[in-house]
Formats: sequence, C-alpha cells, structure tokens
Amino acid sequence: GNSVTQMEGPVTLSEEAFLTINCTYTATGYPSLFWYVQYPGEGLQLLLKATKADDKGSNKGFEATYRKETTSFHLEKGSVQVSDSAVYFCALSGASGGSYIPTFGRGTSLIVHP
Amino acid sequence: NAGVTQTPKFQVLKTGQSMTLQCAQDMNHNSMYWYRQDPGMGLRLIYYSASEGTTDKGEVPNGYNVSRLNKREFSLRLESAAPSQTSVYFCATYTGDGSNQPQHFGDGTRLSIL
Repeated sequence: GNSVTQMEGPVTLSEEAFLTINCTYTATGYPSLFWYVQYPGEGLQLLLKATKADDKGSNKGFEATYRKETTSFHLEKGSVQVSDSAVYFCALSGASGGSYIPTFGRGTSLIVHP
Repeated sequence: NAGVTQTPKFQVLKTGQSMTLQCAQDMNHNSMYWYRQDPGMGLRLIYYSASEGTTDKGEVPNGYNVSRLNKREFSLRLESAAPSQTSVYFCATYTGDGSNQPQHFGDGTRLSIL
C-alpha cells in the first residue's frame, strides 16, 4: 500500500535560517503529492502541490520538487520567519475501491525563534 | 465563503456519554471524511463518504458511527464515549471528480473525555 515518511520533529530554527523537511513516499501508479500546513488551533490547509514527476510546487516562499527517481518531495524555504511556526504534513493522493483516500505523513513540527 | 464548518469547537464529556460532531460544507464537494489527530500519530481516517448515500470505514472506525445526511452534511457519532477517544477531530472534503485537487479541512473539534 501507499505510505509517506516524514522526518521527525520538532525542527527548531532561528529566523532567516534555511529550512528542509524531508518527505519520502511509497506508492503505486503516479500519485499527486501535497504539502499541507497546520497553524495552531486550525485545520490543515494546502501549502503546495505537484502532480507529476519533476514538477515544482511553490507558495509563500516554500518549494518542493516531485522526484520520482528518489521517491521524494522535500519541502524547502530559504529564509524562515517566526510566522512559519506550524506543523507540516506531506501527503499523496490515492484511490481505494474507487474512492479517493489520500495518505498522510505523521507531520513535522517547525518552531522558529526570533 | 465558510468552506468546511465543524461544530462544536470544544467539548468535554464523561465516560459513557454520547454526542454527535457536526460537519457542513458549502463547496458542493462529493466526498467527505472524518479524521482524528493525536500527538505523534498524524491523521487517522475514521470514516469517509465518497458520495451522498454512501459511507465506508477507514483505519480506526471502532466506537464511531457516521451519517451522510445530505450532500452538505456528514456527522460523526460517539455512542458511548471512552477516554481513548480524547482527540482532535477533523472533517475534510474532496471534490470527488478524480482530479488532483487537495482536500479541504475544517478547524477541528477538540474533544476531551473524562
């Protein structure tokens, strides 16, 4: 079956530091890949996505490239801000019996200090 | 545009009590989902409804029931609450059209069972 593995957190950085959160996946077929962000007290919201190999998703300074050869979709940002403190989830699309059932990683907490 | 609305936002129950968590969406999406989020466990799918009139079990359905009341509404019921059901519950939707669109999440219901 499908699976997503994310690096464990928390990841603690100083403001303006470079961020990488690793995500690797196992899947059949050609899934779409997503990064969601969850701010404290809120639900998940889409940060970025990529729908095919070598696509780069980007939003709010975050980027991730769909690497089929390494089955990875690592999240990066060149200079983090305190406001980026949140939990980040990597996910892939999937189907089960004709229904859409995505697979989520366990989430990585990011803490950015001033 | 409300998106996905969950009620209540917070609830405290005693062991053995029952309650229903409500979810309503205004995006005309076909598919709806209930997840629970526990520390270190990520999101776990409880039940989902691929379309109006259908419901299916997810990864952790025991102790829960659901009703897809109509296309807009999908409720989650705890018949006899147990402390192990203390969690944050999220409702999510998906277009259901087979496209590479993300899910949309509500802001969650924080449930404590004493």
